[in-house]
Amino acid sequence: EAGVAQSPRYKIIEKRQSVAFWCNPISGHATLYWYQQILGQGPKLLIQFQNNGVVDDSQLPKDRFSAERLKGVDSTLKIQPAKLEDSAVYLCASSHYRTGAETQYFGPGTRLLVL
Amino acid sequence: RKEVEQDPGPFNVPEGATVAFNCTYSNSASQSFFWYRQDCRKEPKLLMSVYSSGNEDGRFTAQLNRASQYISLLIRDSKLSDSATYLCVVTLTGNQFYFGTGTSLTVIP
Repeated sequence: EAGVAQSPRYKIIEKRQSVAFWCNPISGHATLYWYQQILGQGPKLLIQFQNNGVVDDSQLPKDRFSAERLKGVDSTLKIQPAKLEDSAVYLCASSHYRTGAETQYFGPGTRLLVL
Repeated sequence: RKEVEQDPGPFNVPEGATVAFNCTYSNSASQSFFWYRQDCRKEPKLLMSVYSSGNEDGRFTAQLNRASQYISLLIRDSKLSDSATYLCVVTLTGNQFYFGTGTSLTVIP
């Protein structure tokens, strides 16, 4: 079974630039998550999708971050404009979520450095 | 208040030692509990689920105490390959996952 795919793996941009990340979850997984993980911290949930609907985006800085999952499969996360404090690893994860809490499977992440 | 709190460590233990990590959660309505392992510069991976009855997987034992709202992970006979960050994870309704900051473990030869 193919895992969660993410691209790019690394990205270096200057502050105030825009950047987009892509995620393709495991086939058949209805729930998709985007996390931000700053060095030395645990992953922080940014947004959670159930199919193509948003379940939780309470911690997404909506003035600069946006995410979509238009067809309920792959997803993009965008930052516009980027700030220095956005330097982090952006992790995408997916899970089945049919009857309750299911195991999450993570992609390899995108390492973002904002200069 | 954070949903999940962990002692960040670091824990530095010799090979063969037994080490225990604890984690507390704030929401009594939390539904499911997990320990994830994260190696340096890698993504988190599920180590084990945590049940009220406790569960064991080889050298690893996980316990849940709902009354006190804490979760524990015990590693016996530590191996060098156990060196990693261990993340405590709690879910709320809607399958929302909340991660602790992680506890860093280094097993020393």
